[in-house]
Amino acid sequence: KAGVTQTPRYLIKTRGQQVTLSCSPISGHRSVSWYQQTPGQGLQFLFEYFSETQRNKGNFPGRFSGRQFSNSRSEMNVSTLELGDSALYLCASSSGGTSTDTQYFGPGTRLTVL
Amino acid sequence: QQQVKQSPQSLIVQKGGISIINCAYENTAFDYFPWYQQFPGKGPALLIAIRPDVSEKKEGRFTISFNKSAKQFSLHIMDSQPGDSATYFCAASKGNFNKFYFGSGTKLNVKP
Repeated sequence: KAGVTQTPRYLIKTRGQQVTLSCSPISGHRSVSWYQQTPGQGLQFLFEYFSETQRNKGNFPGRFSGRQFSNSRSEMNVSTLELGDSALYLCASSSGGTSTDTQYFGPGTRLTVL
Repeated sequence: QQQVKQSPQSLIVQKGGISIINCAYENTAFDYFPWYQQFPGKGPALLIAIRPDVSEKKEGRFTISFNKSAKQFSLHIMDSQPGDSATYFCAASKGNFNKFYFGSGTKLNVKP
C-alpha cells in the first residue's frame, strides 16, 4: 500500500505570494489532517478534513485554508505569505477519522518564504 | 500556552541503555496519548499509544508509563540501539477527535 504523498516536497516563495500544497492520503483513508512544524513552535495542528468536511481547526489565521476532494485528496492554501510561514507542512491520514485510528504522516512539504 | 510539555530537549544514551522521555499535561479532558518517532527528512510515525485507564503499555522495547493523578506520562526505550536515534514526540487528544497537541520533541542520540 502506498503511503501518504505530499507535493511538492520543496517550495520557495516570496512574501505576499500565495501557495497551494497537496496531500494524497493512503487509499481508503477518509481523514486528512494538516500540521505545521517549526523549530520554535514544534508541531501545531492546522485543520482536519473528513469526507470533504472540515471537522477540526487549529489556532491559525484565516490566511490558512484547506479543502478535501471526493477522492480524499486534500489541498492546503496559504495566502499573503509571511516570513513566519516558513515551515515543514505535514499531512496525516487515517482510516476512520477517530483519534485512536493510526495517523500516517507524509514526508512533508518544506516551504521557505523569502 | 503549550498544552503538552516534554523533557528533556535532547538525550544521549549509550547503546544498551534505557532512554526515558517525559511529558506532562494540564487538560484532564485528554484521553489518548500517542508517542511518535521522527527521522530526518521523514514525517512522524506512530510508535505506541495509551489511554488513561491503564498505567502501563509495553510493545517490544518500548513502554509507556502513565500517571493519571500526576498528569504525566513517559516513554521508556529499553536496550536502546543506534537505530533508535531520532526525535520523539509525545502527543495528546481529547474526545476522540483527530486534533493532536504535540510536545516540543526530544532528540535522542544513542552512542554505539
